[in-house]
Amino acid sequence: ILNVEQSPQSLHVQEGDSTNFTCSFPSSNFYALHWYRWETAKSPEALFVMTLNGDEKKKGRISATLNTKEGYSYLYIKGSQPEDSATYLCAFGPYSSASKIIFGSGTRLSIRP
Amino acid sequence: DSGVTQTPKHLITATGQRVTLRCSPRSGDLSVYWYQQSLDQGLQFLIQYYNGEERAKGNILERFSAQQFPDLHSELNLSSLELGDSALYFCASSAQPRDTQYFGPGTRLTVL
Repeated sequence: ILNVEQSPQSLHVQEGDSTNFTCSFPSSNFYALHWYRWETAKSPEALFVMTLNGDEKKKGRISATLNTKEGYSYLYIKGSQPEDSATYLCAFGPYSSASKIIFGSGTRLSIRP
Repeated sequence: DSGVTQTPKHLITATGQRVTLRCSPRSGDLSVYWYQQSLDQGLQFLIQYYNGEERAKGNILERFSAQQFPDLHSELNLSSLELGDSALYFCASSAQPRDTQYFGPGTRLTVL
């Protein structure tokens, strides 16, 4: 059974502060790691997909890193804004093209104004 | 707009009834997935189809069934509805199973 874990489960951050959270995944059979943002009352939206060890992706104030050897990815948000409040999901993509991606349970981020 | 469409947007029905939720994937995507989000919970994977065939099953109740048609749209059938089936049902699609999934806007089902 493939296990994708995210920590912390929830996070409260002051507006303007920077924050980060973790996704742990199996280090074997790896193909890709996906990050999604899921705002309340909306549907999950793809942020990044990373495939190579050491990959870094950036979108505005949000960035992500990938370590496939040890099986973790970090998502960083610089200078948090209220609109960053959302649940951030990571998903592990296994090597087998026949297998679907496996979602973690998410980190719920709340930004205090 | 992800390109995935779901109908209806809202559905209100009574216990014991049967409903059908519909999903049209992004153009060119062969895989369709159904997820349930109850109350304040996360995504619960229900079932996956790939090019018309069932590929993977999650925590889907026996009262629920799904299919993917030759034109690749999918339907999720929920029968003998119970109060606890009230939830947001998302459909997602991807080109291949291990690719990024794109989510539809969801169907909110309320069972009274």
